[in-house]
Amino acid sequence: KQEVTQIPAALSVPEGENLVLNCSFTDSAIYNLQWFRQDPGKGLTSLLLIQSSQREQTSGRLNASLDKSSGRSTLYIAASQPGDSATYLCAVWMDSSYKLIFGSGTRLLVRP
Amino acid sequence: DAGITQSPRYKITETGRQVTLMCHQTWSHSYMFWYRQDLGHGLRLIYYSAAADITDKGEVPDGYVVSRSKTENFPLTLESATRSQTSVYFCASRPPLSGGGETQYFGPGTRLLVL
Repeated sequence: KQEVTQIPAALSVPEGENLVLNCSFTDSAIYNLQWFRQDPGKGLTSLLLIQSSQREQTSGRLNASLDKSSGRSTLYIAASQPGDSATYLCAVWMDSSYKLIFGSGTRLLVRP
Repeated sequence: DAGITQSPRYKITETGRQVTLMCHQTWSHSYMFWYRQDLGHGLRLIYYSAAADITDKGEVPDGYVVSRSKTENFPLTLESATRSQTSVYFCASRPPLSGGGETQYFGPGTRLLVL
């Protein structure tokens, strides 16, 4: 059974720092991996989707990498801002059935 | 408004009552999903639907019933609510895969408290 783990569970950093959020999964035979952002009391917003044939994806200050063989993905946030404060969730697709398996998230606080 | 909406946004009910959570999307996406989010568990899939009249169980389906008579609606019913079903419920939708880069779109969630 696939298990997705995110470390750390919570992170507090001063504004301007570069930071890395980690996601690991136990079964490397994934279809895709996706990073989401969740603001308090809100739904999830997709940040980056990495297809299994890709190694990384970039969007603005965000960069996500994928190493299937080691069962790891990282989300790199450059020059963090208070507006980046949110919970970041990693999810894997095991196949094209569209079912996502989520990690429990990393709660990020960027202090001004 | 375009997008995916859920109602009610907040619900308090009592053990044993039937509760229905509504989900509506305006994109005509074929796939729809229901997740629950609990502390320490992330989001877990309850049920999903590939099209109208086609539904299937997810990871935690016990105690829940779904239906999908119309493409745009995907209601979730708790037939006899229990305290363990206190949670935040998210509905999501997505189009069929074409290039592999498609994402799911999530509603704002329904916070359910079962007393």
